[in-house]
Amino acid sequence: AQTVTQSQPEMSVQEAETVTLSCTYDTSESDYYLFWYKQPPSRQMILVIRQEAYKQQNATENRFSVNFQKAAKSFSLKISDSQLGDAAMYFCAYEGSNTGNQFYFGTGTSLTVIP
Amino acid sequence: GAVVSQHPSRVICKSGTSVKIECRSLDFQATTMFWYRQFPKQSLMLMATSNEGSKATYEQGVEKDKFLINHASLTLSTLTVTSAHPEDSSFYICSALKGGVENEQYFGPGTRLTVT
Repeated sequence: AQTVTQSQPEMSVQEAETVTLSCTYDTSESDYYLFWYKQPPSRQMILVIRQEAYKQQNATENRFSVNFQKAAKSFSLKISDSQLGDAAMYFCAYEGSNTGNQFYFGTGTSLTVIP
Repeated sequence: GAVVSQHPSRVICKSGTSVKIECRSLDFQATTMFWYRQFPKQSLMLMATSNEGSKATYEQGVEKDKFLINHASLTLSTLTVTSAHPEDSSFYICSALKGGVENEQYFGPGTRLTVT
């Protein structure tokens, strides 16, 4: 199975500041998808952003953007202008093109936003 | 949008009994659904892939006779935890794959199972 690694169990950021969450993965596939999901205390998984591996352009969704380095197998999430509502667990996920749409999740990063 | 529901949201059962958890795609059809298990402060671990009209595919280490999965319709998959024990207490999350151009997974809100 593919491996997804999040090396930061916990991160904190001042409100309105920028924070970057790290994610690396291991795969032999050339075509795949990468995701960042947010899980607030309600435990509902919320899609933050999605990146197709064949696209060189980094995905962006409002205050959320990624730095996708395919050769390095790195997929970091940048949150700009952090808000209190951004506090949550963030999971990086991999979906391969040959693995039946199965998701492989990283261990998660707990983000605290300091007012 | 696409909505996936789970029922119940919380359930407490006694050791040795069975409990069924439902996962429904409310506004789309899903030929494939996934069941995950999440322990406190841990990640989601894929348990099995549920395919409509066929047998589920279980991940290594998941007992298929203990975690029965039935995907009888395009909008419903069920997970039955049989002969539950306290170590089965966990948070169970399902997701449904919306195919076609979108080809995106949508997650249910989860079910907290406590076995006493």
